[in-house]
Amino acid sequence: GENVEQHPSTLSVQEGDSAVIKCTYSDSASNYFPWYKQELGKRPQLIIDIRSNVGEKKDQRIAVTLNKTAKHFSLHITETQPEDSAVYFCAASKNTDKLIFGTGTRLQVFP
Amino acid sequence: NAGVMQNPRHLVRRRGQEARLRCSPMKGHSHVYWYRQLPEEGLKFMVYLQKENIIDESGMPKERFSAEFPKEGPSILRIQQVVRGDSAAYFCASSPEGIEAFFGQGTRLTVV
Repeated sequence: GENVEQHPSTLSVQEGDSAVIKCTYSDSASNYFPWYKQELGKRPQLIIDIRSNVGEKKDQRIAVTLNKTAKHFSLHITETQPEDSAVYFCAASKNTDKLIFGTGTRLQVFP
Repeated sequence: NAGVMQNPRHLVRRRGQEARLRCSPMKGHSHVYWYRQLPEEGLKFMVYLQKENIIDESGMPKERFSAEFPKEGPSILRIQQVVRGDSAAYFCASSPEGIEAFFGQGTRLTVV
């Protein structure tokens, strides 16, 4: 079945620096790749997603890139702020099928 | 448009009791997914339902767990004879016919 690996498991950056989180997936039929942010005790919130017909997508300080050949996608956060501190999860799915999640990255942004 | 609603938010059950978790999807969403999150871990898929149909239950334990999404009313995840290992946060997500999934606030189940 589908497997999603995520790295790093923890990431500490200084406010204003950039943060990059990387994921790889195993099922070449996967065509939808969302990223979720989860604050402590809260629900996962969809922050950005990308479909397999697109190589890059940007929304203000957040961008996602997809390399279908390598089965690899990444989340980039620029100009990080303390409120970006949370656990970030990548996921992969096929059409309306279930989401397979990565193991999460705990991002800490120090002021 | 209200978000995905789950209740209760917190549920405490003694070992051997039953737990019933409810999920009302967003208006217009016909796809419901249940995920389990153990403390300090990621989200694991349990079951995918559409109205009156279980589409994929490959992530749900064969024993004690069941799920339904009736024609009327919320989706229900039922755990019979709970054990301590069932303690977790259970999240429901809903999606329109088109992929994006939006999560509810979750039900935090504690088995004592």
